[in-house]
Amino acid sequence: NAGVTQTPKFQVLKTGQSMTLQCAQDMNHNSMYWYRQDPGMGLRLIYYSASEGTTDKGEVPNGYNVSRLNKREFSLRLESAAPSQTSVYFCASSLTVLGHYEQYFGPGTRLTVT
Amino acid sequence: AQSVTQPDIHITVSEGASLELRCNYSYGATPYLFWYVQSPGQGLQLLLKYFSGDTLVQGIKGFEAEFKRSQSSFNLRKPSVHWSDAAEYFCAVGTGNNNDMRFGAGTRLTVKP
Repeated sequence: NAGVTQTPKFQVLKTGQSMTLQCAQDMNHNSMYWYRQDPGMGLRLIYYSASEGTTDKGEVPNGYNVSRLNKREFSLRLESAAPSQTSVYFCASSLTVLGHYEQYFGPGTRLTVT
Repeated sequence: AQSVTQPDIHITVSEGASLELRCNYSYGATPYLFWYVQSPGQGLQLLLKYFSGDTLVQGIKGFEAEFKRSQSSFNLRKPSVHWSDAAEYFCAVGTGNNNDMRFGAGTRLTVKP
């Protein structure tokens, strides 16, 4: 039981390049989330998927797209990376979107955009 | 919208000493409150949560937190800190859905031998 896994762990991009961050969970959770973590700012929600087949914007969605590929997988895409997207990205999942249910976090992807 | 403040960016305590990490929130109704811990290079792990009921909440690893509505606070405590508690601690406030949580900026805990 691996929980929430993310690939890659580290990535360096040049401005304008694109990439996709992958996330998978094996807990049969319905809801999945992408956050970014910046120094001094805590975590901020980029996008979430309340259930398979749905995605919605979070607090900071600009510059990102997401795909809920199936119940297990939720990917985050940067179409044209910018230095402002340098951050640590965390994927999380929970049984449902209701706040009673704990979010389980992956280990993160550290992204640097030069 | 709700918000949360963690006034202390960095705290250092000696091993065996007691610990209190502060968290203040802003929200008009009864909040959902959380404390998470993040060890270096790891994701966040839930320590404890408060939705309703008893205002003193017990969590994992010997941590507890007390919800004080009059002070808009949810401070995290531990009676005796271990070296393995060195990590970053995040307080979060929600309104009832996981997509509507707001995290504090975090408090980094250093434990002296």
